[in-house]
Amino acid sequence: ELKVEQNPLFLSMQEGKNYTIYCNYSTTSDRLYWYRQDPGKSLESLFVLLSNGAVKQEGRLMASLDTKARLSTLHITAAVHDLSATYFCAPVLGQGGSEKLVFGKGTKLTVNP
Amino acid sequence: KAGVTQTPRYLIKTRGQQVTLSCSPISGHRSVSWYQQTPGQGLQFLFEYFSETQRNKGNFPGRFSGRQFSNSRSEMNVSTLELGDSALYLCASSARTSGRLYEQYFGPGTRLTVT
Repeated sequence: ELKVEQNPLFLSMQEGKNYTIYCNYSTTSDRLYWYRQDPGKSLESLFVLLSNGAVKQEGRLMASLDTKARLSTLHITAAVHDLSATYFCAPVLGQGGSEKLVFGKGTKLTVNP
Repeated sequence: KAGVTQTPRYLIKTRGQQVTLSCSPISGHRSVSWYQQTPGQGLQFLFEYFSETQRNKGNFPGRFSGRQFSNSRSEMNVSTLELGDSALYLCASSARTSGRLYEQYFGPGTRLTVT
């Protein structure tokens, strides 16, 4: 069974602090996506990680992928209130025509002043 | 380039009724995937259509069905609605090829409430 686990599911942090969200998945995948969702809104693409060792950075967020460990991380540096949202990881699982994104349950991040 | 559009945005239906939701993908994208999002179950994959053919299917009952037209627009239908079908339904379009799934771009969603 395909499983994607995100930790933690809820994260409350103070502005200015650093933290890491973890995404583990159960089967081989060579690509992984991170999305952000604001309350009542749709999903917005944050990062596309296309190979083992890939690292992408945008502002205070940095994502990495270790395909051998089946692990991706989303690191938050010096958090600000605007980062409050739910973050989803989604590895591409399956092969060829059966490839699909499988989403984790999401990490709800709240950044407090 | 116009994004993914979904209609209607909000819908209220009664148990036992049926509903049809529509999704227009980004121009040039031939893949449309549908997801159901609820607070309890999170984001769950319903199905994907590519070039008018269902490519993948999630674990949902047969009451959930879909189709794709030659212009890549897709519809999903839910028959005999149940209270548990209340959810945000998201569609996503992708520049998929026959052998590879590329990044998915999500529409704004349709919020379905079943009473």
